[in-house]
Amino acid sequence: AQTVTQSQPEMSVQEAETVTLSCTYDTSESDYYLFWYKQPPSRQMILVIRQEAYKQQNATENRFSVNFQKAAKSFSLKISDSQLGDAAMYFCAYRTFSNSGYALNFGKGTSLLVTP
Amino acid sequence: DVKVTQSSRYLVKRTGEKVFLECVQDMDHENMFWYRQDPGLGLRLIYFSYDVKMKEKGDIPEGYSVSREKKERFSLILESASTNQTSMYLCASTLPQDYGYTFGSGTRLTVV
Repeated sequence: AQTVTQSQPEMSVQEAETVTLSCTYDTSESDYYLFWYKQPPSRQMILVIRQEAYKQQNATENRFSVNFQKAAKSFSLKISDSQLGDAAMYFCAYRTFSNSGYALNFGKGTSLLVTP
Repeated sequence: DVKVTQSSRYLVKRTGEKVFLECVQDMDHENMFWYRQDPGLGLRLIYFSYDVKMKEKGDIPEGYSVSREKKERFSLILESASTNQTSMYLCASTLPQDYGYTFGSGTRLTVV
């Protein structure tokens, strides 16, 4: 059963603006990894950013950053200075060390539209 | 770079046919996965394998089986395809001690 919740099926942002995609998850593990993946129309899954749960500092990759709230089990993605190429499906996922051969558990995704 | 290759990008099969979806990775990844992707449902784990000839059921294994005879190849088998198996199928691989995953580019299967 999926235990990753992305509450926004669709989001829209204007070019150069900032958008935040939300994600909550549920696990009883204390150590795990969190991910945001981007899937453009080409279908190729592209890693956007990842966060180790033991790290308090929020991960940042250029225009992409996360707000990781471990106690709240929240892992939101902020995209700054949005570009047309950011339009894609975004998936939040996590992986623990004890489950399913280290399989990723995915949310249902958020479709991001970027308007000029 | 690690590559995960799925043999078909698009596939159309008839109801009742036996269907094989192939996935090959070119690094020494031990763990391989098959996911099914449907609009509004995200990616759901069908089966995974952590070694040759080893396989485990994921969240939605019904109607599917898998085969892993060689480390680099992980096949998904639809024994008797049905229309509700029309979907996009994604293969992925990783090393257990790593958290980098490599995905194939997907096979869009239509069962008519």
